[in-house]
Amino acid sequence: EDQVTQSPEALRLQEGESSSLNCSYTVSGLRGLFWYRQDPGKGPEFLFTLYSAGEEKEKERLKATLTKKESFLHITAPKPEDSATYLCAVQRGNPAGANSKLTFGKGITLSVRP
Amino acid sequence: KAGVTQTPRYLIKTRGQQVTLSCSPISGHRSVSWYQQTPGQGLQFLFEYFSETQRNKGNFPGRFSGRQFSNSRSEMNVSTLELGDSALYLCASSLTSLSYEQYFGPGTRLTVT
Repeated sequence: EDQVTQSPEALRLQEGESSSLNCSYTVSGLRGLFWYRQDPGKGPEFLFTLYSAGEEKEKERLKATLTKKESFLHITAPKPEDSATYLCAVQRGNPAGANSKLTFGKGITLSVRP
Repeated sequence: KAGVTQTPRYLIKTRGQQVTLSCSPISGHRSVSWYQQTPGQGLQFLFEYFSETQRNKGNFPGRFSGRQFSNSRSEMNVSTLELGDSALYLCASSLTSLSYEQYFGPGTRLTVT
């Protein structure tokens, strides 16, 4: 059974205070690791896909990294508008070629104070 | 380009009733997946459809079913509703069944009383 654990559950930062969100995973045959952002009352918004250990991707103040056991979402100099729940998900490779399901973590609720 | 749309956005049903939720994927996307999101369990996969065929299924009872039409639009049905079915139901679309990236709709908030 694929497992995704995100920590901490909640994080409160002061504007400009950089930090990292952790996603630990167990999956047989990782096809991809995904980061999503979810605002209250909305569906998740796609941020990044990471395919192999050592890969890094950046978007504005966010940088995602991947190792064989975990992924980090680094937030540099966050702003109040970065406040949201950040979800991590893994997708297992499916030999049949079908789009196998995403297994999500419970999410990390980030609050950035001005 | 229009995103994933879901209707209705909010729904209140009584225990024992059934409900049908609708999802229109992004134009050109042929794969549609459904998820249930609750505060306790988080996001859980229900099923995925591609070219009108169910390709993957999560660990939900048979009361949860779905289908996909030739225009890629999808519907999800829940029969004999239980209080525990109250949740946000999310639909996600991707280009093909082999696509890595899924794009989510705003969800349908179902409340069962």
